[in-house]
Amino acid sequence: DGGITQSPKYLFRKEGQNVTLSCEQNLNHDAMYWYRQDPGQGLRLIYYSQIVNDFQKGDIAEGYSVSREKKESFPLTVTSAQKNPTAFYLCASARDRDLTEAFFGQGTRLTVV
Amino acid sequence: AQSVTQLDSQVPVFEEAPVELRCNYSSSVSVYLFWYVQYPNQGLQLLLKYLSGSTLVKGINGFEAEFNKSQTSFHLRKPSVHISDTAEYFCAVDGGADGLTFGKGTHLIIQP
Repeated sequence: DGGITQSPKYLFRKEGQNVTLSCEQNLNHDAMYWYRQDPGQGLRLIYYSQIVNDFQKGDIAEGYSVSREKKESFPLTVTSAQKNPTAFYLCASARDRDLTEAFFGQGTRLTVV
Repeated sequence: AQSVTQLDSQVPVFEEAPVELRCNYSSSVSVYLFWYVQYPNQGLQLLLKYLSGSTLVKGINGFEAEFNKSQTSFHLRKPSVHISDTAEYFCAVDGGADGLTFGKGTHLIIQP
């Protein structure tokens, strides 16, 4: 079955450590997105990529980095520069720029202690 | 630039009663509007979307929404809610290359 997979579902890290969240899709979608979700804040865009080897900063990119070496994969690294990394992270993909058919992963809850 | 305002952070309603979740938007690009539902610790599931045509859009789980261009609104409604409808609901507008712009969400609380 086609879909978008985020792993792990729960992740714990010590303060000051970098951590990478995985996002894989087998939908043959060109566009992929990372959102951060905090209570009462909705979803805020971190980074997005419209094509392999290219990505753009979203509204809250500071303290995060991404790569897009393969069409299927768009990993997000939360670096030690991110001041408040504890949050729920959602990955999404869409065919080209057609967001009318966007799919979301199940999310990764990151807790930094 | 586009923005979405969900006027209510929480909406409590009794089971089998009707509900309306409000959403207002502003957008400088083509108006594609969406409602998503999120159950605890899950991703987002598309409830319905407005792309063009009829302003009344029907979605899954008995939900519907009406696009009102003059009031820049896209309110979500259900005539009779169930306990299983308890979730967070997000309104979103298509921002083009920048992806979807979301509202802050409305927590629907169904009381028995």
